[in-house]
Amino acid sequence: AQKITQTQPGMFVQEKEAVTLDCTYDTSDPSYGLFWYKQPSSGEMIFLIYQGSYDQQNATEGRYSLNFQKARKSANLVISASQLGDSAMYFCAMREGRAGGGNKLTFGTGTQLKVEL
Amino acid sequence: EPEVTQTPSHQVTQMGQEVILRCVPISNHLYFYWYRQILGQKVEFLVSFYNNEISEKSEIFDDQFSVERPDGSNFTLKIRSTKLEDSAMYFCASSAGRIEAFFGQGTRLTVV
Repeated sequence: AQKITQTQPGMFVQEKEAVTLDCTYDTSDPSYGLFWYKQPSSGEMIFLIYQGSYDQQNATEGRYSLNFQKARKSANLVISASQLGDSAMYFCAMREGRAGGGNKLTFGTGTQLKVEL
Repeated sequence: EPEVTQTPSHQVTQMGQEVILRCVPISNHLYFYWYRQILGQKVEFLVSFYNNEISEKSEIFDDQFSVERPDGSNFTLKIRSTKLEDSAMYFCASSAGRIEAFFGQGTRLTVV
């Protein structure tokens, strides 16, 4: 079974609108972390937001928020007020095990987001 | 802001040649990683390195691959005899072991 599933290969959103990028995960480890990275066409991987499995509140970072639904094992990224510069590939990733252990990240297949005027 | 630096940004090599990809992690970080991304595909874990030894490696990381921390700052990935299927973007990452790993800008390796 896939550990990280991103079911939307491509998404379009109009500038200034909000968009939700889906991510579901699968793990039996009670300690885990969920990450979102942005990869623009230039190729670098930019960290956006993190949610720990024991965090009570949904993570927020500026225009990014993570809709964490633990029982459903989903960790959707919400981008509010989309900008043209948000056009990029977005990857959801998971670290299994506690933070601080240096564990690897497992990535999903990504969602290509295109922001239109 | 400190960042992970990778060189070169793009490397073209002939099949069968050895390549060394270089990375300078963030200076106070303890954990180092290599990931690769074949064009249009997802990012895959290759190897993690801690305390001067490999802590975990994937099935991709076979005998053709090796990693080294030759001095206090550099972290290298060597591919001994490159194959066409090694063509990919290779990312180095480092972590202080807290939350996120910081990625470098990547080295695009093209094997011809």
